Amino acid sequence: GENVEQHPSTLSVQEGDSAVIKCTYSDSASNYFPWYKQELGKGPQLIIDIRSNVGEKKDQRIAVTLNKTAKHFSLHITETQPEDSAVYFCAASSSQGAQKLVFGQGTRLTINP
Amino acid sequence: DVKVTQSSRYLVKRTGEKVFLECVQDMDHENMFWYRQDPGLGLRLIYFSYDVKMKEKGDIPEGYSVSREKKERFSLILESASTNQTSMYLCASSFGREDIQYFGAGTRLSVL
Repeated sequence: GENVEQHPSTLSVQEGDSAVIKCTYSDSASNYFPWYKQELGKGPQLIIDIRSNVGEKKDQRIAVTLNKTAKHFSLHITETQPEDSAVYFCAASSSQGAQKLVFGQGTRLTINP
Repeated sequence: DVKVTQSSRYLVKRTGEKVFLECVQDMDHENMFWYRQDPGLGLRLIYFSYDVKMKEKGDIPEGYSVSREKKERFSLILESASTNQTSMYLCASSFGREDIQYFGAGTRLSVL
């Protein structure tokens, strides 16, 4: 089955700097790659996603890139702000059957003022 | 706004007890999911359901069962709770097969 590895497990950046979180996946049939943000005391919330027919997607300060050949995808956050502090999860999903997401281990991002 | 509501934020149970975790969604979603979240392990899928009375095993179904008698409600059952089931449990729902999953706030279960 699918296996998703996420790095780093913790990341600390200065406010205003950029943050990058990387994930690799194992199943070449996976074609949907969402990123979730989990704030303290809340459930994860989708912040951006990408499908395998696209190489990059941007939404304001957030971007995701996908390299299907290398089976890795990354989350980029620019001009980080204190409210970006949270745990981020990547996930991958195969097109077969119901949408089964396999999640990475999570990255705790801390933005230092 | 989509709302996924989990009945309890915190639960403390004894080893061997039967435990019910309830989840309700208000958006007529077809798919519902139960995950457990543990530090360093991310979210792992326990069971999911794509229709009423339908269920499929996820990656870690051992020790758990589920029930979906109504479209909006998905219950996770621990038949005989054990200490290694102490965890955060998250429920999610989605409309279609490739749609966004919406999560509840989670239930933190402690089994003593």
